Amino acid sequence: EDKVVQSPLSLVVHEGDTVTLNCSYEVTNFRSLLWYKQEKKAPTFLFMLTSSGIEKKSGRLSSILDKKELSSILNITATQTGDSAIYLCALPQGGSEKLVFGKGTKLTVNP
Amino acid sequence: DADVTQTPRNRITKTGKRIMLECSQTKGHDRMYWYRQDPGLGLRLIYYSFDVKDINKGEISDGYSVSRQAQAKFSLSLESAIPNQTALYFCATGTSGSVYEQFFGPGTRLTVL
Repeated sequence: EDKVVQSPLSLVVHEGDTVTLNCSYEVTNFRSLLWYKQEKKAPTFLFMLTSSGIEKKSGRLSSILDKKELSSILNITATQTGDSAIYLCALPQGGSEKLVFGKGTKLTVNP
Repeated sequence: DADVTQTPRNRITKTGKRIMLECSQTKGHDRMYWYRQDPGLGLRLIYYSFDVKDINKGEISDGYSVSRQAQAKFSLSLESAIPNQTALYFCATGTSGSVYEQFFGPGTRLTVL
């Protein structure tokens, strides 16, 4: 059974701190790994990592895929209160287009 | 205007009632999905549809049914609601050109008493 495990489940930091969120996975026929940010309601897409694109960066957010370790990290530098959200990791299930999600990491950034 | 809309946004109902949640999209996407989110359990797929004539069960389809009335509309029904179907429900869309990047609606918070 495909599995996605995120850690930590929750994290509280102060503005300006750097955080690292983890996602480990067990899926058959790996195709990609996705990161989503969920603030008040709907998840929004951040990054997609693949075998040919193992690093992505957007502003203060960056992500790396480690296929050997079957994991990915999401880094956020110089955190701001607006980064407070649940960060979700997801992978396509088996060879399908269905996504299996981790339980998420709830990040709280205090001023 | 939002690209993916869901109605209602909030609903409280009683055990045994039939409930329909509706989703519409203006993105022109062919793929549509229904998820539920529960605290501590993440997002779980209920049903998905790759086009009007293609409906598939997801991870947790028992107690739910769907209808894809048009490419832009995908509704989720609870034939006889029960309390453990209390959750936040999301509709999402995707396109065959970028199958893994899904776009989520604002969610419907359903409470079954």
